[in-house]
Amino acid sequence: EVQLVESGGGLVQPGGSLRLSCTASGFTFSNYNINWVRQAPGKGLEWVSYISGSSSTIYYADSVKGRFTISRDNGKNSLYLQMNSLRAEDTAVYYCARGRGSYPFYYFDYWGQGTLVTVSS
Amino acid sequence: EIVMTQSPATLSVSPGERATLSCRASQSVSSNLAWYQQKPGQAPRLLIYGASTRATDIPARFSGSGSATEFTLTISSLQSEDFAVYYCQHYNNWPYTFGQGTKVEIK
Repeated sequence: EVQLVESGGGLVQPGGSLRLSCTASGFTFSNYNINWVRQAPGKGLEWVSYISGSSSTIYYADSVKGRFTISRDNGKNSLYLQMNSLRAEDTAVYYCARGRGSYPFYYFDYWGQGTLVTVSS
Repeated sequence: EIVMTQSPATLSVSPGERATLSCRASQSVSSNLAWYQQKPGQAPRLLIYGASTRATDIPARFSGSGSATEFTLTISSLQSEDFAVYYCQHYNNWPYTFGQGTKVEIK
């Protein structure tokens, strides 16, 4: 069974940092690209970042470029999102989602349950 | 960036009735369009990809159609478990973007 489990969310002050993790199981992790997608409270979905299976290709949404860094450790079946210079508008549930398809056309076939990040003083 | 616009924002439907949800892209996305269902407190769930292909274990009452800029998700006979928010998303190029969602509620 494919599973994605996020962790690392919490309350952080504006300007602070946080590192999210996503641990995968039930599939060959290195064969798939993984994405971060976020959802502000009561709002819609926003794609945040993409990383290819080998980490050779990485993309970011403009809203987080220069502040967030995506990475992965295939030996640990884990994905990370280092979030720096956090702002109130980064408050959201952060989901990791597996990409399926052929480059560059990927839909998200499995999602984790999400981890809540709250940026507030 | 491609803007995805869904309509209506809210759809009130009685159980057993048909629901038709629309999604429009600001420029062509070919057939690189997915639909997701989200229930309160849950992660999104993939329903449709490639504009019209049902994902694994998705009931046949869900169908998708369209191409280029106009897309439709149809639920042929609403069941109680189908009341949720539905999002369309293009994956034609980066950045991938989502529509704002259509809430399907009980009439």
